[in-house]
Amino acid sequence: DAGITQSPRHKVTETGTPVTLRCHQTENHRYMYWYRQDPGHGLRLIHYSYGVKDTDKGEVSDGYSVSRSKTEDFLLTLESATSSQTSVYFCAIRFETSRDTQYFGPGTRLTVL
Amino acid sequence: GESVGLHLPTLSVQEGDNSIINCAYSNSASDYFIWYKQESGKGPQFIIDIRSNMDKRQGQRVTVLLNKTVKHLSLQIAATQPGDSAVYFCADTEISSGSARQLTFGSGTQLTVLP
Repeated sequence: DAGITQSPRHKVTETGTPVTLRCHQTENHRYMYWYRQDPGHGLRLIHYSYGVKDTDKGEVSDGYSVSRSKTEDFLLTLESATSSQTSVYFCAIRFETSRDTQYFGPGTRLTVL
Repeated sequence: GESVGLHLPTLSVQEGDNSIINCAYSNSASDYFIWYKQESGKGPQFIIDIRSNMDKRQGQRVTVLLNKTVKHLSLQIAATQPGDSAVYFCADTEISSGSARQLTFGSGTQLTVLP
């Protein structure tokens, strides 16, 4: 599992509430990614980080923000959750070797009512 | 990655048979390809990868074939076992995506192994 944990693993919240998901890694990887997975869409990139305080948008970044104040933690925030953000969220890391493979965490299932 | 669809393609195979899972990609500039396995309720798990300068790569019970001419990737699983039941999807990336090496994912194929 490449030393990745995600918290919480499950969350139910109401529309309009703020939500923060945490991705924690123990192996000092520089690159971290947040994806969402929905039926029929595969994994879609929300935001990614290439170092502390260095982040950039992915394909589906609207409604999401991220922060990375230390190497081991990459936070995904939904400022005001909407039902369309009901999804399974995965964090991933990439090793800084010649390989480009990303390794994924166990996921967070978020339900917005 | 694959074209997006509302339903996952499915493949059912008998235990012990070989499985072949296919993936079509659209980006002719893609230079690196990965196959992932995802079991229900878990995160995607890396299986095998291949670079565009190769057309075949073998792992333990798995083989990936790459046909760049028709932009097609396949995953072959030998002697399929019940534990192979999962969703399998491919991903690709290209060098122009920068140092972040963003991946594009297909929607996957559900493999069911029949006893």
